[in-house]
Amino acid sequence: DVKVTQSSRYLVKRTGEKVFLECVQDMDHENMFWYRQDPGLGLRLIYFSYDVKMKEKGDIPEGYSVSREKKERFSLILESASTNQTSMYLCASSLSREMIRNEQFFGPGTRLTVL
Amino acid sequence: AQTVTQSQPEMSVQEAETVTLSCTYDTSESDYYLFWYKQPPSRQMILVIRQEAYKQQNATENRFSVNFQKAAKSFSLKISDSQLGDAAMYFCAYTSGTYKYIFGTGTRLKVLA
Repeated sequence: DVKVTQSSRYLVKRTGEKVFLECVQDMDHENMFWYRQDPGLGLRLIYFSYDVKMKEKGDIPEGYSVSREKKERFSLILESASTNQTSMYLCASSLSREMIRNEQFFGPGTRLTVL
Repeated sequence: AQTVTQSQPEMSVQEAETVTLSCTYDTSESDYYLFWYKQPPSRQMILVIRQEAYKQQNATENRFSVNFQKAAKSFSLKISDSQLGDAAMYFCAYTSGTYKYIFGTGTRLKVLA
């Protein structure tokens, strides 16, 4: 079974802090994603990576950056956390860019609260 | 631009009954995939069912089936013999050959004992 893990289930940070959210997948997937989930808004794509050191902006990249130094690991960075970044963050992975029929596998999510 | 719309924020169903969750989408592509994902409370999101746009036959997975109307751009999920474990947020999603998946806003399903 594909497993996607996220470093924290719950996180509380202060405004202005630098925040790192880590995601690891164990099935050699090429694609990795970071989403933000808010009630009534569904899932919104923050960033996407289809290979090591490659990244593409999603729909809401402002205030976020990402890092993918190893294939299995994809990090989301909040350079200076703000209260409007309080949300549930979901990491996902999928097999490859060419195989569009492939489902995304999701991590358990990190609920981030910024005070 | 592609969009996915789930017009029912919340639905309720009696245990053992059947419920249908609605999803409509907009695209100009001819080849694409549609998905229903389930997110149980405090648990990971998982794939329920997948439909390939070029296939006429509606996908089924045990108690879960879809009604795919390509011309109407409609993709509803039917859950038969509802169980308490079906209670979750359900998301409809679309992808058309790029990396991008577009998700709807979700429908919260409550199952009443």
